[in-house]
Amino acid sequence: TQLLEQSPQFLSIQEGENLTVYCNSSSVFSSLQWYRQEPGEGPVLLVTVVTGGEVKKLKRLTFQFGDARKDSSLHITAAQPGDTGLYLCAGLNTGFQKLVFGTGTRLLVSP
Amino acid sequence: NAGVTQTPKFQVLKTGQSMTLQCAQDMNHNSMYWYRQDPGMGLRLIYYSASEGTTDKGEVPNGYNVSRLNKREFSLRLESAAPSQTSVYFCASSEFGRSWGNQPQHFGDGTRLSIL
Repeated sequence: TQLLEQSPQFLSIQEGENLTVYCNSSSVFSSLQWYRQEPGEGPVLLVTVVTGGEVKKLKRLTFQFGDARKDSSLHITAAQPGDTGLYLCAGLNTGFQKLVFGTGTRLLVSP
Repeated sequence: NAGVTQTPKFQVLKTGQSMTLQCAQDMNHNSMYWYRQDPGMGLRLIYYSASEGTTDKGEVPNGYNVSRLNKREFSLRLESAAPSQTSVYFCASSEFGRSWGNQPQHFGDGTRLSIL
């Protein structure tokens, strides 16, 4: 069974701080997606990274796919209360054509 | 713009009761999925349907059955509910094709199920 471990599990910070969330596996994935989930709703896709070493930016969010395609990171600059939510990484195993979801990082940004 | 619609939103069952969770999507997607979400465990795949007429087991299929009724609808059935099945259940859909891996999964808002 492929596993994606996210760290930290919980993060509580003040508005304006920077943070990084990590997503690690011993398995290689053909692509990796990041989702954000708000209370009472389903996850919503933020970004997909496909190439090893790829970096994508979405406003204050920077996503990186590891060179070996086994890990990824999400960096948020100057966090805002609107960034509060559960962040999930998900890796695609081409052979099984299914997504494997990470354990999740719950972020709370206080004003 | 409904997207993925799940019913019911909340349900309380007694151990041993049965029920069916309904899911429908209006995006003409080929692939549909059922996940359960438990604290600290992310989303775990129960069953999926890559296309109409096919279903396959995911990571945690025991105690569940599914039916892909047509392209739009994918239901999840608990035949004899157990307390360990208390969870939040999400249905999702996505496009299937050559660039499948880059396509997002679109999720419903979930069904919160408690089994006493």
